[in-house]
Amino acid sequence: GAVVSQHPSRVICKSGTSVKIECRSLDFQATTMFWYRQFPKQSLMLMATSNEGSKATYEQGVEKDKFLINHASLTLSTLTVTSAHPEDSSFYICSAQSPGRNYGYTFGSGTRLTVV
Amino acid sequence: DQQVKQNSPSLSVQEGRISILNCDYTNSMFDYFLWYKKYPAEGPTFLISISSIKDKNEDGRFTVFLNKSAKHLSLHIVPSQPGDSAVYFCAASASYGNKLVFGAGTILRVKS
Repeated sequence: GAVVSQHPSRVICKSGTSVKIECRSLDFQATTMFWYRQFPKQSLMLMATSNEGSKATYEQGVEKDKFLINHASLTLSTLTVTSAHPEDSSFYICSAQSPGRNYGYTFGSGTRLTVV
Repeated sequence: DQQVKQNSPSLSVQEGRISILNCDYTNSMFDYFLWYKKYPAEGPTFLISISSIKDKNEDGRFTVFLNKSAKHLSLHIVPSQPGDSAVYFCAASASYGNKLVFGAGTILRVKS
């Protein structure tokens, strides 16, 4: 089946620094990827949809200058949290659109970001 | 505006009995629905899906029922096992492969 690798699985960073999270489709081409955020005991909230070679589409209320998404190839999308603050601490999950595999969606294993 | 709602935050069931998890949606454009199981600090694991052209889909111990007129779906797990204990999320999209909207999740505890 399709596999999406997400790295790192956990990261701790200092306030004011930037952190990059990678999401890679290993055995298929992912034209479209989705980025979600989950706070403790809450739902997965869609942050943005990234399409290879074009600008990401952000959901309402998500700061695009803070959460930079780059989808430069058919197998890699990155989310960079810029000037991180403690309130950005959360669990970030990517999902690749995978038609015909995994019922259309293949999720990464998530990244736990802690900003101190 | 919550387009996908799971009104029961938690459910406790005895091993061997049926677990019924419910989900309501408000957006009539949704036509593809999925259920996921999730553990903390892990990605969601797909369980079962259903498209709007069906009203039931079955896979082993899992059955999903869709009532389009009521905008309601439910996941039945029979028989429930302790290993089923997790958070269950209902998700919906306007079309296969389009962005997913998730419900708030229901914590299922299966007691042995």
